[in-house]
Amino acid sequence: SQELEQSPQSLIVQEGKNLTINCTSSKTLYGLYWYKQKYGEGLIFLMMLQKGGEEKSHEKITAKLDEKKQQSSLHITASQPSHAGIYLCGADASSGGSNYKLTFGKGTLLTVNP
Amino acid sequence: DTGVSQDPRHKITKRGQNVTFRCDPISEHNRLYWYRQTLGQGPEFLTYFQNEAQLEKSRLLSDRFSAERPKGSFSTLEIQRTEQGDSAMYLCASSQGQGALGQYFGPGTRLTVT
Repeated sequence: SQELEQSPQSLIVQEGKNLTINCTSSKTLYGLYWYKQKYGEGLIFLMMLQKGGEEKSHEKITAKLDEKKQQSSLHITASQPSHAGIYLCGADASSGGSNYKLTFGKGTLLTVNP
Repeated sequence: DTGVSQDPRHKITKRGQNVTFRCDPISEHNRLYWYRQTLGQGPEFLTYFQNEAQLEKSRLLSDRFSAERPKGSFSTLEIQRTEQGDSAMYLCASSQGQGALGQYFGPGTRLTVT
C-alpha cells in the first residue's frame, strides 16, 4: 500500500518567515493533494497537483510536484498566524489514478508566532 | 450551497450502543466518501459511493459498519455495537466526477465511545 511521509512533523516559525513542508510517497504519484486542517475540524482543500513539474499557487502558498522523486513540497511565503494549522498531503491511491481513494500523510503541525 | 455538512458534530455514546451519522454532500457532486481519522494520524479511507452505488469498502470497515446513500444524495454511516476503538473523527467528502477535481471535506463527526 502507498505511504506518504511528511516532514517535518511540526514546525514553529515567527510571523513573516518563509517555510517549506515536504511530502514523499513510497509509490508513483497519480495525483497529490494538499489540505489544511484546524484542530478538531474538517479538511480544507488547498490545491491538487497532477503532472510532474507542476506548480500551483494560492495566495502565499505554493506547491510543487517532483514526479521523479515522488515528492511534493508546500512553501509558505511571509507566514501569518492565519496559516497555523495541520497541513496534510494526500495521494490518489486508487488503481489507475481514478481519484476515489486518498491516502494521507500524518500531517505537519504549523505554529506561527506573532 | 456552502459545502459538505455533517450531523451531528459530536457524539458521545456508551460501548455497545448503535450510532448513525449523516452527511450531505455538495449538491452537484456525484461521489461521496467516508474517512476515519484518529488523533495524530491522517484520514483513512473507509468507503465511497458513486451516485447511490457503494463501489468500494476498506478492510477497516468491519461488519459492524454500514453505509448507505439512498437516491444518490445524502449518506448515512451506522456503527453497531460500538467499541472504544471506534472513537475517532468520521469525515465525509464529496467530489464531482473523477481525476482533476479534489475531494471536499465536511467538518466531521467526532465520536467518543465510553
